[in-house]
Parts: sequence; C-alpha cells; structure tokens
Amino acid sequence: QKEVEQNSGPLSVPEGAIASLNCTYSDRGSQSFFWYRQYSGKSPELIMSIYSNGDKEDGRFTAQLNKASQYVSLLIRDSQPSDSATYLCAPGGYQKVTFGTGTKLQVIP
Amino acid sequence: EAGVAQSPRYKIIEKRQSVAFWCNPISGHATLYWYQQILGQGPKLLIQFQNNGVVDDSQLPKDRFSAERLKGVDSTLKIQPAKLEDSAVYLCASSLGQSSYNEQFFGPGTRLTVL
Repeated sequence: QKEVEQNSGPLSVPEGAIASLNCTYSDRGSQSFFWYRQYSGKSPELIMSIYSNGDKEDGRFTAQLNKASQYVSLLIRDSQPSDSATYLCAPGGYQKVTFGTGTKLQVIP
Repeated sequence: EAGVAQSPRYKIIEKRQSVAFWCNPISGHATLYWYQQILGQGPKLLIQFQNNGVVDDSQLPKDRFSAERLKGVDSTLKIQPAKLEDSAVYLCASSLGQSSYNEQFFGPGTRLTVL
C-alpha cells in the first residue's frame, strides 16, 4: 500500500495570499504524483500532475516534488474564494493507489 | 469527450437490503476503479480492474461487496446485505492504463444512505 499523509486542516488563508498544501508519502518508488481538488459534494478533479523532482507551474498553481525527502507540495498563489475546497494528493502507480485524507482549504474574502 | 458516467446518483436503502451501482468509463480507458468515500475522508480504493481482470481488490469486503467488469467496459458494484457503515459516496474512476503517468478521471459518484 502506498501510504500518503496530509494535514486535514482546515487551512485558512486570506484572499490574495499564497496557500501551501503538503503531502508526504511512504513509497520511495513512486514516480509520479497527482493533486486533485474536490469541492463539497462533488467528485475529485485533477488540477496538477508532477513526475520529476523540482517545480512545475501551471497558472496560479505550482507543484513541488522532492523524492529524496518523499515530499510533494502544492502552492496556490493569489488565492481566491473559489479555491476553497479539499485538496487530495495521490501517487500514480500500477496498483494499490492510496489517496491522502485531503487538506481542506478555506480562502477568506 | 464524454466523461465517466455513474448511476444512480443517489440511493437510500434499509440495512440488510441489497444495492447495485453502475459505471461506464471514458471510451478507450482500460483501467477502472471503484472507491468508497466516507464523509471527511479521502477516497478508499475498493477494487481496480485492468480490462476485465481484477488488479487489486485487497480492500473490498468480499463477504458483502462484489464487482464485475465482464466485457472490459462498464462495471457494476454490488452490496449485499448493506450495513449502516456502508453509507458513503461510491466513486468510479477510469484511466487510459496502469502507467504511473496516467491520471484518473472521476464520475459524479453515487451517494448511498443506509437506514
């Protein structure tokens, strides 16, 4: 089983601030990671994927992967109230994919 | 491109009754997943299919849950008999294949309430 740990939050940030979401994982063999956003009452939707060490930027979102430290993070710049949701981290893989519990983000107007 | 379809969207049953959920993945997606998501928790993988074969069902409570994907396309998940603790959202997802680089696409889910 690929274990994933996330702080369940809630993480509260003011509108316009940077939100930092973190995820640690147990399987050193994990080659890829996905960040999903889940609004209340909705199903998860993919917002970022990252496959190699370093940073990957897409608009206001930046994913960071550090395989040596088994750590992946998601930064959301200029946070908006519409970013308020639960963010799930999951490693890619052949089988036994495990999602973290998710971090609930609240952006305060 | 049509997304992952699931039905029904909502279901209310009494404990000890049976229930079935249906999922139709994105066309061409070989891998299909069923997840159980209890309120406040992340999705928990119940079963993963690659075409019509089972890749992982280690977390499926086999005494009451069953799933099939006979023709390698759509899939059904059944619970018989249901317990109160089965109240959850059941999510179906699909991906092109089992590569580490294949993202999963989720259906809208079925919200099950067991009374």
